Amino acid sequence: AQSVTQPDIHITVSEGASLELRCNYSYGATPYLFWYVQSPGQGLQLLLKYFSGDTLVQGIKGFEAEFKRSQSSFNLRKPSVHWSDAAEYFCAVGATGNEKLTFGTGTRLTIIP
Amino acid sequence: DTGVSQDPRHKITKRGQNVTFRCDPISEHNRLYWYRQTLGQGPEFLTYFQNEAQLEKSRLLSDRFSAERPKGSFSTLEIQRTEQGDSAMYLCAGGLETQYFGPGTRLLVL
Repeated sequence: AQSVTQPDIHITVSEGASLELRCNYSYGATPYLFWYVQSPGQGLQLLLKYFSGDTLVQGIKGFEAEFKRSQSSFNLRKPSVHWSDAAEYFCAVGATGNEKLTFGTGTRLTIIP
Repeated sequence: DTGVSQDPRHKITKRGQNVTFRCDPISEHNRLYWYRQTLGQGPEFLTYFQNEAQLEKSRLLSDRFSAERPKGSFSTLEIQRTEQGDSAMYLCAGGLETQYFGPGTRLLVL
C-alpha cells in the first residue's frame, strides 16, 4: 500500500526567505506525485504534479518540486515566499491509473513579516 | 476555480439525522472521487466513480454511507444516522490522472 510522510507539521519562515517542504513516499512502482495547497476552510488547489520525465517540475505561484527516486522524496521549494503563501500544504501519491490519492498529514506554513 | 462545485458548503445537524451532499464536476471529468478530511489531517479516500459505476469503496465508508452518481454527471454522498465522529470536511474531486477538488462541505454533527 502506498503512503506519504510529511515530517514537518509546522514551518515558519520570514517573507522573502526560501522555503523547502519535505515529502517522502512509499510505493512499489513509479508513483504519480502531487503537491496541493489548502487555505483555511477551502478545498485543495493543485500546485504541481510529477508523472514521468524531467524530475524537476515547475508549478504555479513560483513553486517547484524535485523527484528523487533514490530517496523516495518529492520536496517542494520556493526561492522567495510571499505572505499569501501562508496555508496548509499536502503531498500526495497516486498509483498508476490514479484510482485514488494517498495524502500526507500536511505542513502548515506560517509567514512572518 | 477548478469548476468543481459542492453543495452545501456547511451543514450542521443533530446526531441521528440523515444528511446528503452534492458534487458537480465539470463535464470532462469521467472520474469522480470523494474524500473525508478531519481536523489536522490530510484527506482520506472514501470512494470513486468511473462515469456512473462505483469502482472502489474504502473501509472508512461504513454501511451508513452511500454514494451515487446517476447518469455519470453529479454525485451525491448520503450519511444516515449521523454520529459525532462523522464531523469532517467532505471533499469531492473530478478528473482522471489529475484530480481537481471542489471547495468541500463542512459537516458538524451535534
